[in-house]
Amino acid sequence: QLQLQESGPGLVKPSETLSLTCTVSGGSISSSSYYWGWIRQPPGKGLEWIGSIYYSGSTYYNPSLKSRVTISVDTSKNQFSLKLSSVTAADTAVYYCARQTSQGTFVDYWGQGTLVTVSS
Amino acid sequence: EIVMTQSPATLSVSPGERATLSCRASQSVSSNLAWYQQKPGQAPRLLIYGASTRATGIPARFSGSGSGTEFTLTISSLQSEDFAVYYCQQYNNWPTFGPGTKVDIK
Repeated sequence: QLQLQESGPGLVKPSETLSLTCTVSGGSISSSSYYWGWIRQPPGKGLEWIGSIYYSGSTYYNPSLKSRVTISVDTSKNQFSLKLSSVTAADTAVYYCARQTSQGTFVDYWGQGTLVTVSS
Repeated sequence: EIVMTQSPATLSVSPGERATLSCRASQSVSSNLAWYQQKPGQAPRLLIYGASTRATGIPARFSGSGSGTEFTLTISSLQSEDFAVYYCQQYNNWPTFGPGTKVDIK
């Protein structure tokens, strides 16, 4: 059974960089069939797709966040990571890592999510 | 950006009754539409993709329909575990989600 687990600091100061890692178990991140993505959800609000990466390193990002987002992959560790720079309180959210299907940009497996709060 | 809207915001339904949720796109997304269920404190769960294809393990009481800009998720007979928030998501262009419909107990 595929499992995804987010890890990283739960508290980040304004103007700093948010960094999260997703560890994939029960399957290979190097599968040619899937992209791997990050999605966030501010408390009590809806969902926003941040970006996605293929095992080869090919990425695409939400245009509204593109200038601040970097997603990378480490196939040797079966992990992919998110960096979001210059954070503000508006970036406070539950961050989910996810597997994006080969049939389109939607998610069939989700991590449990991790709350990141931006506060001094 | 394609804007997704959902109605109603809240739907109060009695167990065993039928629930009909609507999702509208600001421009055509063809059949590139997914539905998710989210319970408090949990990640969303994929229910439907391709507007009408049930995901693996999803009960037959969940069905999706529509194409273009108008979509519907129907839960034929609500079970206690179905009370949750439901989101639609288009993936015809950059993926965007609707604001959700909360299905609660009447």
